[in-house]
Amino acid sequence: GQSLEQPSEVTAVEGAIVQINCTYQTSGFYGLSWYQQHDGGAPTFLSYNALDGLEETGRFSSFLSRSDSYGYLLLQELQMKDSASYFCAVRPPGRRALTFGSGTRLQVQP
Amino acid sequence: AAGVIQSPRHLIKEKRETATLKCYPIPRHDTVYWYQQGPGQDPQFLISFYEKMQSDKGSIPDRFSAQQFSDYHSELNMSSLELGDSALYFCASSSPSVGDRGGNEQFFGPGTRLTVL
Repeated sequence: GQSLEQPSEVTAVEGAIVQINCTYQTSGFYGLSWYQQHDGGAPTFLSYNALDGLEETGRFSSFLSRSDSYGYLLLQELQMKDSASYFCAVRPPGRRALTFGSGTRLQVQP
Repeated sequence: AAGVIQSPRHLIKEKRETATLKCYPIPRHDTVYWYQQGPGQDPQFLISFYEKMQSDKGSIPDRFSAQQFSDYHSELNMSSLELGDSALYFCASSSPSVGDRGGNEQFFGPGTRLTVL
C-alpha cells in the first residue's frame, strides 16, 4: 500500500521561503505530485517529479529522492495568497488514481 | 480554457435519500476520477473510468455506484445516504498519458458539497 506523511501545519511570513516535506512508504509509484488547495476550493496541480532531483516552476520547486523515500515542495517569495493546504500525491503502479498525503496547511503571515 | 464541470455545486439531502452528482470532464480527456473529501481530510479516491470503462476502484461504499456515458460525462449515484456521507465530492479528469505525467496531472472540478441531515 501507500502511506504519505506530511507536517500538519507550517507558518511563515510574507517574502520568506518555506519547505513542505513529504515522506512516503510505497511499494512503487510513477512519481511524486504536489497539489494546492485553498479552503473550499478544488485541488490544483502544482508540480510533478518523475525522476530524482529538483523541478522548478516559477516560485515553486519540488524535489524527489527515491533512495530516501522523501520529497519536498519549496515555495519562495511567499505571498498571502499562498496560504492554502498542500498535498503530495503518488500514483501506484497499475492504477490511475492518486493517493494523497495527509496535507500541510500553510499559513502566510504579514 | 475549458475546465471540469460539476453539478450541482451544493446539495442537501435527508438520511436514507438518494443523490446523483454529475461531472463533465475536459474535452478529449480519457480518464475521469471521483474523490470524496471530508472536513480537514485529504481527498479519498472512490472510482475512476478510462474510456468509459471502470478502471479503478477505491473506497467507494456499496451504496454508491458510478458510470460514464457515451458523451464522456460521468454520474455518481449515492443511495441510502448517511450523515457520514456529508463531504465535498470532486470529479477530476486527465489527458491521455504522455509518458506517465498524464495520470499524475489531474484537473479537478469545483466540487459538489453534499450535506446529509
